[in-house]
Amino acid sequence: AQSVTQPDIHITVSEGASLELRCNYSYGATPYLFWYVQSPGQGLQLLLKYFSGDTLVQGIKGFEAEFKRSQSSFNLRKPSVHWSDAAEYFCAVAPYGNKLVFGAGTILRVKS
Amino acid sequence: EAGVVQSPRYKIIEKKQPVAFWCNPISGHNTLYWYLQNLGQGPELLIRYENEEAVDDSQLPKDRFSAERLKGVDSTLKIQPAELGDSAVYLCASSPPRLAGGTGELFFGEGSRLTVL
Repeated sequence: AQSVTQPDIHITVSEGASLELRCNYSYGATPYLFWYVQSPGQGLQLLLKYFSGDTLVQGIKGFEAEFKRSQSSFNLRKPSVHWSDAAEYFCAVAPYGNKLVFGAGTILRVKS
Repeated sequence: EAGVVQSPRYKIIEKKQPVAFWCNPISGHNTLYWYLQNLGQGPELLIRYENEEAVDDSQLPKDRFSAERLKGVDSTLKIQPAELGDSAVYLCASSPPRLAGGTGELFFGEGSRLTVL
């Protein structure tokens, strides 16, 4: 079945530590790929997106993500996490036109 | 540039009552989406409009849910009657036309949180 998988429901990292959030998808062709962030009580904000070209994409707030076709993955990374990064992160794919399909999300907690 | 505007932000109703949510997309965005977000889950598409036309409503529970986008701008999502399981956040999003440089990115409103008692 076609799906987007975020295997980690919760992740806790120390402030200043590096972060990697995992995302895998199962679609036949390479879809458009996105990472969104959602703070409590807020809407979703786009962090970064991949359509084609360089497989390492830079986003806002110091985030980056790497597309790996062989692994059907699009993992989100940040070298040094700040307390304000605590939020829920959603990976999403757009396999067909404008329809966006989301993963279940990963809640990031940052400890000082 | 104004973002996607939704109202109300919060709504508490008793089961079997009707409820309506309103969304005003970003100016120039011809595609409008309603997503349902249950607690602890990612958003799920309910309906997608291209201008006034609903082009994907396969996930909309049509027995109690309805939506309209009469003039191709703002939209209303209605639930009648509401059930306990409808408690969730209803997100509206919009995106620009691909021909106008749209790349599939969706712009989301802050959502309408519904609590059904």
